[in-house]
Amino acid sequence: TQLLEQSPQFLSIQEGENLTVYCNSSSVFSSLQWYRQEPGEGPVLLVTVVTGGEVKKLKRLTFQFGDARKDSSLHITAAQPGDTGLYLCALIKAAGNKLTFGGGTRVLVKP
Amino acid sequence: SAVISQKPSRDICQRGTSLTIQCQVDSQVTMMFWYRQQPGQSLTLIATANQGSEATYESGFVIDKFPISRPNLTFSTLTVSNMSPEDSSIYLCSVTDGRTDTQYFGPGTRLTVL
Repeated sequence: TQLLEQSPQFLSIQEGENLTVYCNSSSVFSSLQWYRQEPGEGPVLLVTVVTGGEVKKLKRLTFQFGDARKDSSLHITAAQPGDTGLYLCALIKAAGNKLTFGGGTRVLVKP
Repeated sequence: SAVISQKPSRDICQRGTSLTIQCQVDSQVTMMFWYRQQPGQSLTLIATANQGSEATYESGFVIDKFPISRPNLTFSTLTVSNMSPEDSSIYLCSVTDGRTDTQYFGPGTRLTVL
């Protein structure tokens, strides 16, 4: 059983549409990170959420951390082909900064 | 930020052989990590590379299969030993920026074992 469950596993949409990716756990997070990975590259950090109920925006990306700190979502408005990639949520294990990743959501935005 | 390079970027190897992957960082860092990403999957932590001491391995990974060196604060190697097709994956190193707690990843080494 994975500590972090991401859904959906795969999402294919047209340019201009909106999408939401979810990250859930049965455990409470102290903090959670979202990464995007493009083919041939390593993951790149998008955001860290720490406080229950927190909302952070990064241009067309909106990140929410659930009030109970057991879930998070990433919403992309008016998706563009450049948003195509693998989106990963991750927990930081405070001791040693080790990351535990969710299963990932592969997003394809068609022009 | 940290800039990380990995060598080789990709390789195709025969079953039973070993491959050593290098990870170079442009600044001194305390924490270095090695991850595996199997085809179409997410990332799984293999081990933490400690400078001056043995690496710390996660459950399911052992030193005999994945020996790691960390000779200084900017460099580490991961060896994939006695390879089988199941070892075909992308191997990534990462470092933590101690000031911001941000993790930076290398571009990965894509390994195919025939």
